[in-house]
Amino acid sequence: NAGVTQTPKFQVLKTGQSMTLQCAQDMNHEYMSWYRQDPGMGLRLIHYSVGAGITDQGEVPNGYNVSRSTTEDFPLRLLSAAPSQTSVYFCASRPGTLPETQYFGPGTRLLVL
Amino acid sequence: GENVEQHPSTLSVQEGDSAVIKCTYSDSASNYFPWYKQELGKRPQLIIDIRSNVGEKKDQRIAVTLNKTAKHFSLHITETQPEDSAVYFCAAGNTGNQFYFGTGTSLTVIP
Repeated sequence: NAGVTQTPKFQVLKTGQSMTLQCAQDMNHEYMSWYRQDPGMGLRLIHYSVGAGITDQGEVPNGYNVSRSTTEDFPLRLLSAAPSQTSVYFCASRPGTLPETQYFGPGTRLLVL
Repeated sequence: GENVEQHPSTLSVQEGDSAVIKCTYSDSASNYFPWYKQELGKRPQLIIDIRSNVGEKKDQRIAVTLNKTAKHFSLHITETQPEDSAVYFCAAGNTGNQFYFGTGTSLTVIP
């Protein structure tokens, strides 16, 4: 199993550009989520999904969209990038909605100029 | 929503000493408390977790204690080694769908 994979590893954007961060898992996990990590602020939940076709907002959803058309994939879209979205983005998955271990992807480092 | 506070933000210990990191949470519905270790440039990795029906859990040099009444839980690392140097995050979750993370503790073990 590859586990949770993310692409790209690093991206530079200009203000106003859009892009999609990819996340995929091959563990047949129902629950997937996106976090951003900023210095001194821990990890904050952006959006999450409890299964294909179902998504919901986390703590900091503004400026981001998600969709979940398959169990395996959970892309995160930045509609119009802003410097405040400079961060490290982690995707995570776990088997179900009951509280249990989350598995994190390797992260995407995003710089918005 | 839940609010997780973590202390200290930085911690330096001599190799072989113990390290303790403390977290508090606000939502009494939280019932799952994982701890993650994150090395520089890497993803968070689960090192130990505890559920609300357990007061203490130990795995070799690492232990976690939970006080539900006081709403706090702690990570204990004994006989610290240089490879324990990393950032440690606590988190609180429940049967709902969100985890809330603390702001992290940067642990440095001095050889």
